[in-house]
Amino acid sequence: GENVEQHPSTLSVQEGDSAVIKCTYSDSASNYFPWYKQELGKRPQLIIDIRSNVGEKKDQRIAVTLNKTAKHFSLHITETQPEDSAVYFCAASGGNQFYFGTGTSLTVIP
Amino acid sequence: GAVVSQHPSRVICKSGTSVKIECRSLDFQATTMFWYRQFPKQSLMLMATSNEGSKATYEQGVEKDKFLINHASLTLSTLTVTSAHPEDSSFYICSARDSGRPRGALFGPGTRLTVL
Repeated sequence: GENVEQHPSTLSVQEGDSAVIKCTYSDSASNYFPWYKQELGKRPQLIIDIRSNVGEKKDQRIAVTLNKTAKHFSLHITETQPEDSAVYFCAASGGNQFYFGTGTSLTVIP
Repeated sequence: GAVVSQHPSRVICKSGTSVKIECRSLDFQATTMFWYRQFPKQSLMLMATSNEGSKATYEQGVEKDKFLINHASLTLSTLTVTSAHPEDSSFYICSARDSGRPRGALFGPGTRLTVL
């Protein structure tokens, strides 16, 4: 099956700085890559996604890039705010199943 | 709108007992639902894919006889943890894809299982 790796596992940034989280995947059949934000004890919430026919997508302070050849994709958060603090998961999907990365605990320091 | 619900939200049981967790899709039908397990500060690990009207597909390393999955209707999947032991204590989350919603998957709120 698919193997998704995510780095870093923890990330601390000053408020206003940018945060970057990177993921790699193994299955070339994967064609959909969502990112989820999970606050403690709560369900994951979709924040942005990208399909394999697109290289980059942006939604306000959040952007995702995809390099299909290298099988890696990244999440970029600009002008970070304390409420961005959470665990972020990347995922890869080639059909119905989602395979998740190991998660990145992001802390934004006021 | 389309939502996934889960019941119960928390359950505490004695070792050796069985626990059933329900996952429902609201305002949409889900032919496929997914069950995940999440340990504290760890990622979501896919346990099995629940298929309406047929047997579930289990991920490698997941015991099908211990984690019984039933997907009896297009809106309900159940996960039964049989003969639960303390090591089964975890956060169990289900998800479903709404065919009318092309983005991502909807997650249930999760069930915190504690086995004493």
